[in-house]
Amino acid sequence: DQQVKQNSPSLSVQEGRISILNCDYTNSMFDYFLWYKKYPAEGPTFLISISSIKDKNEDGRFTVFLNKSAKHLSLHIVPSQPGDSAVYFCAASADGGSNYKLTFGKGTLLTVNP
Amino acid sequence: NAGVTQTPKFRILKIGQSMTLQCAQDMNHNYMYWYRQDPGMGLKLIYYSVGAGITDKGEVPNGYNVSRSTTEDFPLRLELAAPSQTSVYFCASTDPGLRETQYFGPGTRLLVL
Repeated sequence: DQQVKQNSPSLSVQEGRISILNCDYTNSMFDYFLWYKKYPAEGPTFLISISSIKDKNEDGRFTVFLNKSAKHLSLHIVPSQPGDSAVYFCAASADGGSNYKLTFGKGTLLTVNP
Repeated sequence: NAGVTQTPKFRILKIGQSMTLQCAQDMNHNYMYWYRQDPGMGLKLIYYSVGAGITDKGEVPNGYNVSRSTTEDFPLRLELAAPSQTSVYFCASTDPGLRETQYFGPGTRLLVL
């Protein structure tokens, strides 16, 4: 049973436009959410996170929105750049500080076309 | 800091062989994790450790073993390799002050034939 779902396996956008990556979760105990970016043949790297007490967190071109009632979060990238082309994983944690385990979605491959 | 390092980068095993995947971190993190990623799938937790001498099972522990004798090292052992263990393996670490932000190694690609 998938607790973190990324229903779009892939997304293609034009350079300069907005990229919106979506993530849904089913476990109401999740209280911390993260986005990771992964290039081929490399490990995932942390991008941005959000606590369940917030509904928005911004870091430069990246903004994560959290809708707790809908159990939905999204990552906005504005403007998109070719270097943003990668697989993006949504992850969630229910531990709140005990052993920091993460549950990952399957990922969305973002392609930004020049 | 080298961060999280993993060796080897790639390995081909025959069915029934055993091997150890190495993971080391130089950030003095107490928490370490092993994941596997199958094609088109997310990362699944195999084992984790909250400190030297303490390990626990994750979501998919069958066929694997771990040990944690030092803070820095967290090796993953495959005793009897099976084709189902063909995957990319990632090691990660974190610490309480970082919340759940885990730092990942570059991965080990394993092919079992």
